[in-house]
Amino acid sequence: AQSVTQPDIHITVSEGASLELRCNYSYGATPYLFWYVQSPGQGLQLLLKYFSGDTLVQGIKGFEAEFKRSQSSFNLRKPSVHWSDAAEYFCAVVGGDTGGFKTIFGAGTRLFVKA
Amino acid sequence: EAGVAQSPRYKIIEKRQSVAFWCNPISGHATLYWYQQILGQGPKLLIQFQNNGVVDDSQLPKDRFSAERLKGVDSTLKIQPAKLEDSAVYLCASSFRGQVRTDTQYFGPGTRLTVL
Repeated sequence: AQSVTQPDIHITVSEGASLELRCNYSYGATPYLFWYVQSPGQGLQLLLKYFSGDTLVQGIKGFEAEFKRSQSSFNLRKPSVHWSDAAEYFCAVVGGDTGGFKTIFGAGTRLFVKA
Repeated sequence: EAGVAQSPRYKIIEKRQSVAFWCNPISGHATLYWYQQILGQGPKLLIQFQNNGVVDDSQLPKDRFSAERLKGVDSTLKIQPAKLEDSAVYLCASSFRGQVRTDTQYFGPGTRLTVL
């Protein structure tokens, strides 16, 4: 069965420091991978997505993610974190087959930013 | 462009009571999703509509949950009767075409349900 693992429940980084959020997926076919951000009291917003091609994907708000098939990973990175990046981040994979596809989310990583 | 609207934002009920949530997707979006997000977990798909037809309701607890999307626009999700384990945030999302693998899903702010 398809699944997504986000090993870190929460991470704290200093403002201006670099960030990497980990995501591992389990899916037998070509994965369709996504990162979403959820700020308090708001719905999820898509940061970036990967289908094929260049394994380094650029997203909004200065985020990027790298797909590594050999490691079944799709880690999210940002070179310099801003206080406004404090939120919960969800990695997702679209699982299923031609009979139907659905988005499967990880449990999320909460990011805290300290001044 | 207006986003996905949901109401109410918060609801507190006693177990065994009924509750309904409403969602109005982005205008022109054919596909509407309802997700359940339990505290500490990622969202889980409950039901997907394409226009006013159900595409996937395999994870919807049909003995107590029901959903409809009349006229292919707004949608209502109902729980009857509610259980303690239904306490969660219920998220509505919409997308333009319903190509789950490639379309961007736009999420509403959610309805936080507390069952006492």
